[in-house]
Amino acid sequence: GEDVEQSLFLSVREGDSSVINCTYTDSSSTYLYWYKQEPGAGLQLLTYIFSNMDMKQDQRLTVLLNKKDKHLSLRIADTQTGDSAIYFCAERANNAGNMLTFGGGTRLMVKP
Amino acid sequence: GAGVSQTPSNKVTEKGKYVELRCDPISGHTALYWYRQSLGQGPEFLIYFQGTGAADDSGLPNDRFFAVRPEGSVSTLKIQRTERGDSAVYLCASSKREGLSYNEQFFGPGTRLTVL
Repeated sequence: GEDVEQSLFLSVREGDSSVINCTYTDSSSTYLYWYKQEPGAGLQLLTYIFSNMDMKQDQRLTVLLNKKDKHLSLRIADTQTGDSAIYFCAERANNAGNMLTFGGGTRLMVKP
Repeated sequence: GAGVSQTPSNKVTEKGKYVELRCDPISGHTALYWYRQSLGQGPEFLIYFQGTGAADDSGLPNDRFFAVRPEGSVSTLKIQRTERGDSAVYLCASSKREGLSYNEQFFGPGTRLTVL
């Protein structure tokens, strides 16, 4: 079955880089996503990566994918207090229709 | 334009009661998804509609849960004989159409269901 794992908590200082890690088990995953959830708000798609890529950069965000180890990471450069939120990685498997399987979320706390 | 909306935002009910949760997707989005997010966990897939039909309902936990989308737009998630374990945030998402590249799903703010 599909399983997506994330560490629960990350604390960084404002201006530092944050790295949030995720592992998944389904080798047939086509797309992998990073979502952000702030209190009282819906899930917001931050970025995604196709499974045949190993890196994607989008402004302060860098996604790294190690398909051999089924490891995905999200790096946030120059982390700001507004980046404090819960970050979810999710996979869309090739054989599961269009549903997403989410990890349990990593709570990022940014200290001023 | 408007995003995905869900009503009510909060619903408190008693064990054994029936509830309906409503989702209004983004106009023109043919795909609609329901997820359930329990406290401290990530969202879990419940059911997916393509148009009016349920293309995948494998995530529904049992036969107390049912969802409809009769006109291919608004969807209602129905829960019969609610149990305390049904307490969670129920999220709805919509996307343009099946199979479209990365197929971004746009999420609503959710309905927080509390079963006493």
